[in-house]
Amino acid sequence: AQTVTQSQPEMSVQEAETVTLSCTYDTSESDYYLFWYKQPPSRQMILVIRQEAYKQQNATENRFSVNFQKAAKSFSLKISDSQLGDAAMYFCAYFAQGAQKLVFGQGTRLTINP
Amino acid sequence: KAGVTQTPRYLIKTRGQQVTLSCSPISGHRSVSWYQQTPGQGLQFLFEYFSETQRNKGNFPGRFSGRQFSNSRSEMNVSTLELGDSALYLCASSPVGYHEQFFGPGTRLTVL
Repeated sequence: AQTVTQSQPEMSVQEAETVTLSCTYDTSESDYYLFWYKQPPSRQMILVIRQEAYKQQNATENRFSVNFQKAAKSFSLKISDSQLGDAAMYFCAYFAQGAQKLVFGQGTRLTINP
Repeated sequence: KAGVTQTPRYLIKTRGQQVTLSCSPISGHRSVSWYQQTPGQGLQFLFEYFSETQRNKGNFPGRFSGRQFSNSRSEMNVSTLELGDSALYLCASSPVGYHEQFFGPGTRLTVL
């Protein structure tokens, strides 16, 4: 069974600074998808960024980018120029194709200090 | 396009009752998944439907069931509610051929 681990329960960063959230996963599949979701206090889960395992190039979406290390099974999220609106719980998720489901990590609570 | 909608947003029930939650996916999305979110267990997969067929089910007791209608709207039902069923229930939809899931705002269920 696939597992996703986020080792940082909480992180904080100064506004305008850069922060990196860590995620590792375990799988025997060779083709899969990875995602980062953001859950603000409103509890709405918002897709931040996606990465296809077959792509070597790291995904980027504006201020958000990932560092995907397939051999190490690592998938970290970098947030540049942090903004107050980035404060939220961040979940790393693995899409299990066989089971057609997302497997989530436990989440990292990100605080932005003004 | 309108996002995923879930009704009701909040629900309070007592032990032993049953509850039905509803989810309307994004227009054109045919896959609907349900997740339970609790502080202790995190986000756990309940089941996934595609074209009215349940394709996969998570590790939950038979009290948890669901269905999908021809318009892709989905419902989940929990019978004989227990205190431990108190959670945020999230519904997500996906377009055909894509793997990202788009979530609704959730239904907060409290069991007293």
